[in-house]
Amino acid sequence: DADVTQTPRNRITKTGKRIMLECSQTKGHDRMYWYRQDPGLGLRLIYYSFDVKDINKGEISDGYSVSRQAQAKFSLSLESAIPNQTALYFCATGDPASQETQYFGPGTRLLVL
Amino acid sequence: DQQVKQNSPSLSVQEGRISILNCDYTNSMFDYFLWYKKYPAEGPTFLISISSIKDKNEDGRFTVFLNKSAKHLSLHIVPSQPGDSAVYFCAAIGGAGSYQLTFGKGTKLSVIP
Repeated sequence: DADVTQTPRNRITKTGKRIMLECSQTKGHDRMYWYRQDPGLGLRLIYYSFDVKDINKGEISDGYSVSRQAQAKFSLSLESAIPNQTALYFCATGDPASQETQYFGPGTRLLVL
Repeated sequence: DQQVKQNSPSLSVQEGRISILNCDYTNSMFDYFLWYKKYPAEGPTFLISISSIKDKNEDGRFTVFLNKSAKHLSLHIVPSQPGDSAVYFCAAIGGAGSYQLTFGKGTKLSVIP
């Protein structure tokens, strides 16, 4: 079984809709992250969480919100989706014991029409 | 302002030859560097890392070199294999209290049989 899972793997939605992307991990890491990848732009950090009560904005948090429901679960919400949020979204966990090596989920491909 | 730069979007190498992927950084606070490999439809996977106190780290066919004075690191793959064809991301972390990885835009490596 995969250590970091993301659901759904693919999603098509319409402008203005609210959607949630979910992430679960079995690695036991406290730290979790959400990134988006756009063609030619690499990975950019949206939000991160160091434990259940800790939520921090990343580089591009506008238009997004997150919820850390448990150590193993970290969800990303688009309150009102817009076309430029079309991207590949990755969840990751971080291991501070190994200099922040991060372990990524398989990604969610989101298309906003 | 891009703090981690991978100036070559793509690289083609013959099977059995050496692949050299380059990465430059501008933030002198970075003290730990990582390389990730990404196949299509999968999340990035950790490949190799190097601390700023070292100038070389080797793991099998993969070697990362760090030149701090030039703020430059490179990943060498010897010998290159078709299965190495993927996108490679350089990432950096550093500074007191910094837990965020900063990624480059990636280099797509194609190893030609």
